Amino acid sequence: DGGITQSPKYLFRKEGQNVTLSCEQNLNHDAMYWYRQDPGQGLRLIYYSQIVNDFQKGDIAEGYSVSREKKESFPLTVTSAQKNPTAFYLCASSILPRETQYFGPGTRLLVL
Amino acid sequence: AQKITQTQPGMFVQEKEAVTLDCTYDTSDPSYGLFWYKQPSSGEMIFLIYQGSYDQQNATEGRYSLNFQKARKSANLVISASQLGDSAMYFCAMRELFGNEKLTFGTGTRLTIIP
Repeated sequence: DGGITQSPKYLFRKEGQNVTLSCEQNLNHDAMYWYRQDPGQGLRLIYYSQIVNDFQKGDIAEGYSVSREKKESFPLTVTSAQKNPTAFYLCASSILPRETQYFGPGTRLLVL
Repeated sequence: AQKITQTQPGMFVQEKEAVTLDCTYDTSDPSYGLFWYKQPSSGEMIFLIYQGSYDQQNATEGRYSLNFQKARKSANLVISASQLGDSAMYFCAMRELFGNEKLTFGTGTRLTIIP
């Protein structure tokens, strides 16, 4: 089955720790995206990538980093510089940039 | 800057009735796309329907239709014959076709279907 997978489902971060959220897709989509969702809010774009080895900052990129070494993978690292990381993180992909985005099941990040 | 407004934080609807979820938008770009997503309690965002700003007809997908009124800048989602499984958060989103890649989301409407 084609789709987008995110792992883990829940992630706990200690103070000063970097954590990495995984996003994998087997849809052969070129573009991938990371969004953050806070309670009672819509989604906000963190980073996006239109093609392998290229990515751009979204609206709230501070404290986050990404890589796109393979077409099917777009991991997100939440660094210690992100002071309020508790949120629900959603990865999405689209067959081409500016096409409909399809989402993974999400990762909930909690701070200990 | 693009903006999406959803004014209904929550709605309760009887099963089998039709329901309209409101969405208004603001953009200075003449070319844009409007999307509706469903988010059940599991958290995944499920794509429902898309409307392009130049599309002449309102989009339809099964029980979902989009009431697009360009002059009023509204893009309301209509769900016909509601089912218990329709209970979820619903988000309206917009993307300017010549802007960056982001979808701008509204704050959502929580729909509850009553048996």
